[in-house]
Amino acid sequence: ETGVTQTPRHLVMGMTNKKSLKCEQHLGHNAMYWYKQSAKKPLELMFVYSLEERVENNSVPSRFSPECPNSSHLFLHLHTLQPEDSALYLCASSQLPPSGIMNTEAFFGQGTRLTVV
Amino acid sequence: GQQVMQIPQYQHVQEGEDFTTYCNSSTTLSNIQWYKQRPGGHPVFLIQLVKSGEVKKQKRLTFQFGEAKKNSSLHITATQTTDVGTYFCAPHMEYGNKLVFGAGTILRVKS
Repeated sequence: ETGVTQTPRHLVMGMTNKKSLKCEQHLGHNAMYWYKQSAKKPLELMFVYSLEERVENNSVPSRFSPECPNSSHLFLHLHTLQPEDSALYLCASSQLPPSGIMNTEAFFGQGTRLTVV
Repeated sequence: GQQVMQIPQYQHVQEGEDFTTYCNSSTTLSNIQWYKQRPGGHPVFLIQLVKSGEVKKQKRLTFQFGEAKKNSSLHITATQTTDVGTYFCAPHMEYGNKLVFGAGTILRVKS
């Protein structure tokens, strides 16, 4: 148990479906992240939310839509996905200090294994 | 922009042999983190290095940060089957909220 919970753990969806991934952190952190991990690619940073404001969007296709309603919850809304979007989607959180250059460790959820058929 | 290379991509060792993975940046880093991801699992934080030339040890694992703060390494002495997984570096150029990772090194250990 890392303090970051992702649901569902597994998801199979058709290309015309709409689904959402959920992430919840119980660590009191102020930053949350979505990553995509494919079989043959490294961890790809998709979105970053800091203090509930999106601060990073790494050229992710619009069929992925993040939402951060509060500092503890993060969603990834999915629609009209492609088979190449099948991957492990990981959520992470960390505590960003108010100033200085010292980063803190990130805690990851167990991921959602997404298969697009 | 910042470019980071992590090598090797993959290493298969006999149990008891040593293992090293390297993370090389084209620009000076403020600090660097290392994570381990077991097969079927999620990345777990191992350590953070901040100072130039810093060396930290965790049992059989030794982490180093280069003098120029552009390179880092993770060395495992006498590997065990429990060491299998993918080891990622996460370099930070400066304070910020962009947590990016190297490509990772997959370690397999033959018993």
